[in-house]
Amino acid sequence: EIVLTQSPGTLSLSPGERATLSCRASQSVSSSYLAWYQQKPGQAPRLLIYGASSRATGIPDRFSGSGSGTDFTLTISRLEPEDFAVYYCQQYFTFGGGTKVEIK
Amino acid sequence: EVQLVESGGGLVQPGGSLRLSCAASGFTFSSYWMSWVRQAPGKGLEWVANIKQDGSEKYYVDSVKGRFTISRDNAKNSLYLQMNSLRAEDTAVYYCARVDEWSGYSFDYWGQGTLVTVSS
Repeated sequence: EIVLTQSPGTLSLSPGERATLSCRASQSVSSSYLAWYQQKPGQAPRLLIYGASSRATGIPDRFSGSGSGTDFTLTISRLEPEDFAVYYCQQYFTFGGGTKVEIK
Repeated sequence: EVQLVESGGGLVQPGGSLRLSCAASGFTFSSYWMSWVRQAPGKGLEWVANIKQDGSEKYYVDSVKGRFTISRDNAKNSLYLQMNSLRAEDTAVYYCARVDEWSGYSFDYWGQGTLVTVSS
């Protein structure tokens, strides 16, 4: 069973700063099946990235994904106020524990 | 516009049963795998179950095997989750989600969720 470990648990940043979120798999996974989601309080998750690096429909280009093998990264180039949320990575039936991006 | 609307949540005693429903619209329901994903209060996301387009394949997380049953009615564009022998640890918001095979089996659309509380 693959385990996805996200780090850091919490990221404290200011609007306009760059956010780098990590997702590490316990064994090598296909990048084709690695996705990222954003969840705001009281809302359902929203698909941001699929196939490790492809943006979902309507997702701004400040969101980008990269990585392969066991190490994957979600980057938000310049944080907007609406980007402060919890982010999850996912591979098939497994989700990571999440990274909360909070306002510093 | 793709819409997924869950219903059926509520308060139930330990050992009890509940049936969740998800009404789908805005897409060809019978062409997609569908899933249930849950989120315990203050916790992360946990995949619960998947069902293939024609219902011929079903998969479950170990913690619900033998207690939960996923099903679908393509004529009614509806997904279901029958939950029996409920436990306190099943307390969560349950989301219905569409699985997109063409984007690496990601969950591309989600419902708003329905809260299940298991408590005496």
